[in-house]
Amino acid sequence: AQSVAQPEDQVNVAEGNPLTVKCTYSVSGNPYLFWYVQYPNRGLQFLLKYITGDNLVKGSYGFEAEFNKSQTSFHLKKPSALVSDSALYFCAVRDMGRDTGGFKTIFGAGTRLFVKA
Amino acid sequence: NAGVTQTPKFQVLKTGQSMTLQCAQDMNHEYMSWYRQDPGMGLRLIHYSVGAGITDQGEVPNGYNVSRSTTEDFPLRLLSAAPSQTSVYFCASSKGTSGINEQFFGPGTRLTVL
Repeated sequence: AQSVAQPEDQVNVAEGNPLTVKCTYSVSGNPYLFWYVQYPNRGLQFLLKYITGDNLVKGSYGFEAEFNKSQTSFHLKKPSALVSDSALYFCAVRDMGRDTGGFKTIFGAGTRLFVKA
Repeated sequence: NAGVTQTPKFQVLKTGQSMTLQCAQDMNHEYMSWYRQDPGMGLRLIHYSVGAGITDQGEVPNGYNVSRSTTEDFPLRLLSAAPSQTSVYFCASSKGTSGINEQFFGPGTRLTVL
């Protein structure tokens, strides 16, 4: 079965500094990987995804992620953090469904990012 | 487009009561799903659907039923509420059924079972 791990419950960074939110995965076959962000009292919003192609994926709000197959990692990065980036970040991987086809998405436990002014 | 809508936003139930959480999307997405979010556990899939008339179980289906009579609507029924079902529930939809497209999430329903 597919799984995702986010080893840090919380990441603290100063505004203007680079940030990294870590994600590792375990899949059979080619991974479909996603990052979502959740602001307080809101639903999740899509940031970026890796399906195939370039290992460096660019997404919304200046975020990017690097797919590393040998390390089975998909870390989220941003060159210069903003206070408004403070939120809960989820890494996710697609797992295939069963008899009805379709798919399931397996989410990590989430990492809370605090950006201090 | 309203996107994915959920009602109600908040609900308090007593143990043993039943209720239906509503979810609708206006993007003509084939795939719809229900998740529950609990602190420290991320989102866990309850049920999903790849089209009208087709549903399947996720990670934590016990105590919940779903149906999909139209492309737009995907209600979640709690048959006999238990305190363990206190959670925030999110509905999501996605174009296609392959999983390569991102999911769009509703604003959530915060459920408390006393």
